[in-house]
Amino acid sequence: GESVGLHLPTLSVQEGDNSIINCAYSNSASDYFIWYKQESGKGPQFIIDIRSNMDKRQGQRVTVLLNKTVKHLSLQIAATQPGDSAVYFCAENSGGYQKVTFGTGTKLQVIP
Amino acid sequence: KAGVTQTPRYLIKTRGQQVTLSCSPISGHRSVSWYQQTPGQGLQFLFEYFSETQRNKGNFPGRFSGRQFSNSRSEMNVSTLELGDSALYLCASRGLAGGPDTQYFGPGTRLTVL
Repeated sequence: GESVGLHLPTLSVQEGDNSIINCAYSNSASDYFIWYKQESGKGPQFIIDIRSNMDKRQGQRVTVLLNKTVKHLSLQIAATQPGDSAVYFCAENSGGYQKVTFGTGTKLQVIP
Repeated sequence: KAGVTQTPRYLIKTRGQQVTLSCSPISGHRSVSWYQQTPGQGLQFLFEYFSETQRNKGNFPGRFSGRQFSNSRSEMNVSTLELGDSALYLCASRGLAGGPDTQYFGPGTRLTVL
């Protein structure tokens, strides 16, 4: 029979362009946010994190923006490369050692 | 520093059997979490262990259990396997006892239940 799965939103980007992946989180008490990248057949890989007392953090080619007012998180990837093709997850941690909650993910396809 | 390792990487079982998966965290990390990842449900939290104690649990039936050893290595067990248990099982470790900290994931164990 036909299998039903999560419909992952897909973002297609031309190589060299910038990518913006968005994430809405649900818990206003969340104080720590992480972006992960998952390539096919591999476990999620940490990209960048941000704490709730910040609204922007930059890494190498990546920037995370946090808007607590609207509970929105975004990941910007500069000069997207074919190796950036993967599923990207945002995750939120609501205080202390409580479990981390993951979003459903966005699939990024880089067009050479 | 070596990353999180999981064994075995692939496993095929039949309905009704039980399975044990193993996870070795990054050296020095005392927290180990387990997740189930399926196309239908995404990444779902199973449980977290810290210093041999389960301190968080997700919404999974009692067939799913785990434990942690004094060296922080962890195992999870699934009894009476069902077809729907086919998934990628991911283990993640993190360092700090309290406060949020980044989790680092292993490559996962791909379980197929026939």
